Amino acid sequence: SAVISQKPSRDICQRGTSLTIQCQVDSQVTMMFWYRQQPGQSLTLIATANQGSEATYESGFVIDKFPISRPNLTFSTLTVSNMSPEDSSIYLCSVEGIGLASTDTQYFGPGTRLTVL
Amino acid sequence: GENVEQHPSTLSVQEGDSAVIKCTYSDSASNYFPWYKQELGKRPQLIIDIRSNVGEKKDQRIAVTLNKTAKHFSLHITETQPEDSAVYFCAPRGGYQKVTFGTGTKLQVIP
Repeated sequence: SAVISQKPSRDICQRGTSLTIQCQVDSQVTMMFWYRQQPGQSLTLIATANQGSEATYESGFVIDKFPISRPNLTFSTLTVSNMSPEDSSIYLCSVEGIGLASTDTQYFGPGTRLTVL
Repeated sequence: GENVEQHPSTLSVQEGDSAVIKCTYSDSASNYFPWYKQELGKRPQLIIDIRSNVGEKKDQRIAVTLNKTAKHFSLHITETQPEDSAVYFCAPRGGYQKVTFGTGTKLQVIP
């Protein structure tokens, strides 16, 4: 496996502001993803972060609201823009292909707990 | 998109009993079938997985069985222990390699 870290671990923000969440892996990985998990709910995929190109967004998620960057094979950011209380959730990054291996298993970061007032 | 359902949504068992969670999916192109365990306040972690060319896989007290014809796969936990208490998610990988997480099953093991 790999060590996956996320910053910040939690934050409380005012509505209308933006927050950028960072995901750092200690190995190169083929795939990086961003999920949202509301309390007591399942995981919903927001987007796949593509290295060197625009992220691939799932239905219901748009780049203007959730801009994503992936400048290299070990790092990605997710920004939650113009936040509202409905954005309060846990945001998780996950990775596949640790060491650039071709595998399907996803490994998750510890998550970022976001509260929007 | 793929429809993924888990049953039951909650499950309480006595310590030492067995637990079975079923995951039903809709995409016939699905070829990878993992189960993740998420303890309270923690990240999801893979506990067992199976591929479409295998019918059953076992790892100590946990096993996964796959029925591709009926499009479902199940998690089996034997000799349950309190530390098995968690939420379990299936996450079949369908066409175009897309992963869809199931609705989750909250397992409570009563000492």
